[in-house]
Amino acid sequence: DAGVTQSPTHLIKTRGQHVTLRCSPISGHKSVSWYQQVLGQGPQFIFQYYEKEERGRGNFPDRFSARQFPNYSSELNVNALLLGDSALYLCASSARHAANQPQHFGDGTRLSIL
Amino acid sequence: DAKTTQPNSMESNEEEPVHLPCNHSTISGTDYIHWYRQLPSQGPEYVIHGLTSNVNNRMASLAIAEDRKSSTLILHRATLRDAAVYYCILRVINTDKLIFGTGTRLQVFP
Repeated sequence: DAGVTQSPTHLIKTRGQHVTLRCSPISGHKSVSWYQQVLGQGPQFIFQYYEKEERGRGNFPDRFSARQFPNYSSELNVNALLLGDSALYLCASSARHAANQPQHFGDGTRLSIL
Repeated sequence: DAKTTQPNSMESNEEEPVHLPCNHSTISGTDYIHWYRQLPSQGPEYVIHGLTSNVNNRMASLAIAEDRKSSTLILHRATLRDAAVYYCILRVINTDKLIFGTGTRLQVFP
């Protein structure tokens, strides 16, 4: 079975542009979460969606938004890109919205802002 | 959000057991203890989780203190492929939110 897939794997943008990152969860998983990982730090929670509804939001500005589609895939959008948005963006999926469920991560999208 | 404390780094030789400690003195009664690891250039990988009792799976064992204020991830025989950053995370009930700290960087020597 395919794991969590993210696209693109790498992306280069300039300040002020916007970007859309995509995530396909493991088949049958209804919960998708997004994380940002800056070099040298642990991942930071951005959003969680379950059954197409937002269930959690981290401490990120409104420039960050996300949505989940009927097939449970998800998009993360970032507007007005800043140099500080350069990071690895990770998507994770789990079968259910519960604390005893492991999360399965993709290998991320590496976003570089020039 | 409940916090965890881990050593910044640890070293081991191949084939030896490794005990990775984690302190979580502010844990609440319903928080699950999760461990993930992240290999270079990859996303985090689930290792193991538990609530109160010790747990074993094919990757590792998790020993949880009786008062639940600390736990230890045990790799029974370290291999070079176990070299990674290991994260100890408290997961709040009914949420998928993971609060990562800085983790423990494990080096394994041949």
